[in-house]
Amino acid sequence: NAGVTQTPKFRILKIGQSMTLQCTQDMNHNYMYWYRQDPGMGLKLIYYSVGAGITDKGEVPNGYNVSRSTTEDFPLRLELAAPSQTSVYFCASSSLGLAYSYNEQFFGPGTRLTVL
Amino acid sequence: QKEVEQNSGPLSVPEGAIASLNCTYSDRGSQSFFWYRQYSGKSPELIMSIYSNGDKEDGRFTAQLNKASQYVSLLIRDSQPSDSATYLCAVNRDNQAGTALIFGKGTTLSVSS
Repeated sequence: NAGVTQTPKFRILKIGQSMTLQCTQDMNHNYMYWYRQDPGMGLKLIYYSVGAGITDKGEVPNGYNVSRSTTEDFPLRLELAAPSQTSVYFCASSSLGLAYSYNEQFFGPGTRLTVL
Repeated sequence: QKEVEQNSGPLSVPEGAIASLNCTYSDRGSQSFFWYRQYSGKSPELIMSIYSNGDKEDGRFTAQLNKASQYVSLLIRDSQPSDSATYLCAVNRDNQAGTALIFGKGTTLSVSS
């Protein structure tokens, strides 16, 4: 299994441009998440999904959009990129959610995004 | 009050020593607690999970949980230079379905040989 894969690994955007960060998992996990990590900071949740067709906002959703048309894929869309969106973006997935006793998440390798 | 707090460090220990990493959390309803290790430029990697009060041991790692004190810790015995990394404490948020973990900012551990 490849686990959680993300593309691209690196990207530089100009202010106002848009892009989509791709995330795919092959573990048949229902739950998927997008986090961002700024230097010296922990991870902050942007959006999450509990299954195909179902998404919800996390702590820092402004400036982002998501969709979940399949179990495997959970793309993150940035519209009108701003310098404040310069960060490392991690996608994660898990097989169980909060309703169960644990929520072990597996992370992709990350996308390093710079907005200039 | 921050939801998950960790000392940012750096915590420096000599090779072979015990490293002790601490984490406090604010949500009394939290039920699941995790320690992730993150090497510089890499993604977080789960190393320990704990759900009940007490200790849980896995090799050189021991997680300790005290729900009454809202405190979780990670002990690393016989520390190795390869343990040098940032350790992230993560806690689930009890009042949201399907959800997400709340992460601390992490403690940077440096093990010198």
